[in-house]
Amino acid sequence: KQEVTQIPAALSVPEGENLVLNCSFTDSAIYNLQWFRQDPGKGLTSLLLIQSSQREQTSGRLNASLDKSSGRSTLYIAASQPGDSATYLCAVRGASKIIFGSGTRLSIRP
Amino acid sequence: NAGVTQTPKFQVLKTGQSMTLQCAQDMNHNSMYWYRQDPGMGLRLIYYSASEGTTDKGEVPNGYNVSRLNKREFSLRLESAAPSQTSVYFCASSEGLVSAYNEQFFGPGTRLTVL
Repeated sequence: KQEVTQIPAALSVPEGENLVLNCSFTDSAIYNLQWFRQDPGKGLTSLLLIQSSQREQTSGRLNASLDKSSGRSTLYIAASQPGDSATYLCAVRGASKIIFGSGTRLSIRP
Repeated sequence: NAGVTQTPKFQVLKTGQSMTLQCAQDMNHNSMYWYRQDPGMGLRLIYYSASEGTTDKGEVPNGYNVSRLNKREFSLRLESAAPSQTSVYFCASSEGLVSAYNEQFFGPGTRLTVL
């Protein structure tokens, strides 16, 4: 059974820092891994999709990596800004299921 | 291009009442999904529709029914609401179901409270 874990559950850093969010999964037989952002009271916004054959994807200040063999993905945020404050979720797509992690609540202090 | 839309945005029900949550997408996607999000539980899949005319149970289907009305619309029905169904419900869609390329797009959610 696929399990997806995101640690830490919450993170607070000062503005301008580079930071890494973690996502781990137990079954490496995945099609892709998707990172989302969720603002309070809002829906999920897709940030990056990494296909199983890829090692990383980049969009602006965001870089996501995927290591299937170790069951890990990281989301790197460069030069963090207060507007980056949100909950970040990862989701793993397998053959028949999409499993979400519980998210990391990120707070960027001005 | 509205993406994925959901109605209503908020709803309060009494135990035992029924209601239908509506979802529509304008991206010509084949697959659609219903999730619920509860504090500390993450998002859990209720039902999904791989393509028009098909529906399948997800992780937590009990107490719900779905209808894939056409390619655009996928509704979720609560026949007899219970307080345990108090949650935020999200609809999502993707081009297909099983592919490395399939990116999910989400609606804004429906906040449901069952008293």
